[in-house]
Amino acid sequence: GAGVSQSPSNKVTEKGKDVELRCDPISGHTALYWYRQSLGQGLEFLIYFQGNSAPDKSGLPSDRFSAERTGGSVSTLTIQRTQQEDSAVYLCASSPGGGRDQPQHFGDGTRLSIL
Amino acid sequence: GNSVTQMEGPVTLSEEAFLTINCTYTATGYPSLFWYVQYPGEGLQLLLKATKANDKGSNKGFEATYRKETTSFHLEKGSVQVSDSAVYFCALNGFSGGYNKLIFGAGTRLAVHP
Repeated sequence: GAGVSQSPSNKVTEKGKDVELRCDPISGHTALYWYRQSLGQGLEFLIYFQGNSAPDKSGLPSDRFSAERTGGSVSTLTIQRTQQEDSAVYLCASSPGGGRDQPQHFGDGTRLSIL
Repeated sequence: GNSVTQMEGPVTLSEEAFLTINCTYTATGYPSLFWYVQYPGEGLQLLLKATKANDKGSNKGFEATYRKETTSFHLEKGSVQVSDSAVYFCALNGFSGGYNKLIFGAGTRLAVHP
């Protein structure tokens, strides 16, 4: 079956612009996660959704970052007033349910470059 | 808080050599442990997992045993191939307080030469 799908695969934008990143999880997966991968910080957790609710937003770096999930499926990560330090690969993952033993399946990511 | 420490790379080996990548963790409670692999130009793929003490995860010739007494989850393979060249990430999911997220190590780059 289809894996986790992310779009766009690459995004180049100017500092100060807003960007939206999209994630389509594996069908039937109730849990969805956003991570960020950058050279300096490695792989960092951003936010976790169970259904449409986000019980853990602790990894969002600032109030410029927000995310939503609708219909228990697609999720959008929005970064407002982008800064150069936001340049990174943004990864989305999903799992069949919550729980520590559930493996998370990752998409190929969106490479975001801020000029 | 929870954390994962991996041996620094890069690790350079000849084909058919034995591989060990060390991983230790700090966590409260009983986390699940994972190894993910990222091949050049590709996304993160789950390699193997273990969910309780003394469990052994295995896949594609790779193995790792969950050692609670030494808080370790070292990755091993008896005979590496050029196609194993990738970055390997150790991770834990502590699911503490009902919150569910992976904590990753810094990653270890493996280069296998013919």
